[in-house]
Amino acid sequence: GAVVSQHPSWVICKSGTSVKIECRSLDFQATTMFWYRQFPKQSLMLMATSNEGSKATYEQGVEKDKFLINHASLTLSTLTVTSAHPEDSSFYICSAPLGRGTDTQYFGPGTRLTVL
Amino acid sequence: AQSVTQLDSQVPVFEEAPVELRCNYSSSVSVYLFWYVQYPNQGLQLLLKYLSGSTLVKGINGFEAEFNKSQTSFHLRKPSVHISDTAEYFCAVMRNRDDKIIFGKGTRLHILP
Repeated sequence: GAVVSQHPSWVICKSGTSVKIECRSLDFQATTMFWYRQFPKQSLMLMATSNEGSKATYEQGVEKDKFLINHASLTLSTLTVTSAHPEDSSFYICSAPLGRGTDTQYFGPGTRLTVL
Repeated sequence: AQSVTQLDSQVPVFEEAPVELRCNYSSSVSVYLFWYVQYPNQGLQLLLKYLSGSTLVKGINGFEAEFNKSQTSFHLRKPSVHISDTAEYFCAVMRNRDDKIIFGKGTRLHILP
């Protein structure tokens, strides 16, 4: 069945470095993907909508220059956390609708980022 | 804009007892409603969804939810819980198909032996 994968599943980096997280739709194409972050024991907060072939749409309060999103193909969206700081440590989750006009949305398993 | 309120951050319940997890939503337009479950150290899994039609929706693992438009609620219920139901439960709304999903803050279900 349709699945969304994320890579890496966890990453540890030094403060000031950049980290790229990939989100892939397997066996289906996704013109839109969504990126969420989840702090420990908290809910998922939508960060941005990734649109294939165009700019991402960011939610209010999310720094677009810090969280770079690229949706280069119909099956891949990437989130790059630039100049990461300890407060960026979180669980990052992506999701993708199964298709245009569908109510079915698949979530990736998440990527745990720890910034030292 | 849509929003979701989960009234209880934690719900302790004895094994084999019934449980209800409360969810209220706010929206000026019709929305689609969901319940997701997140088991410890795992990703999100869809429990059930309400799109239209019958207001009582049955999902996986014996869960069901009832949509109440007048009270703008979508409470989740299970008649008899098991230890394996220990997890975080999220109520969520979506305004349009293939649109972003807005989540509530979650309710942690503790099953007591």
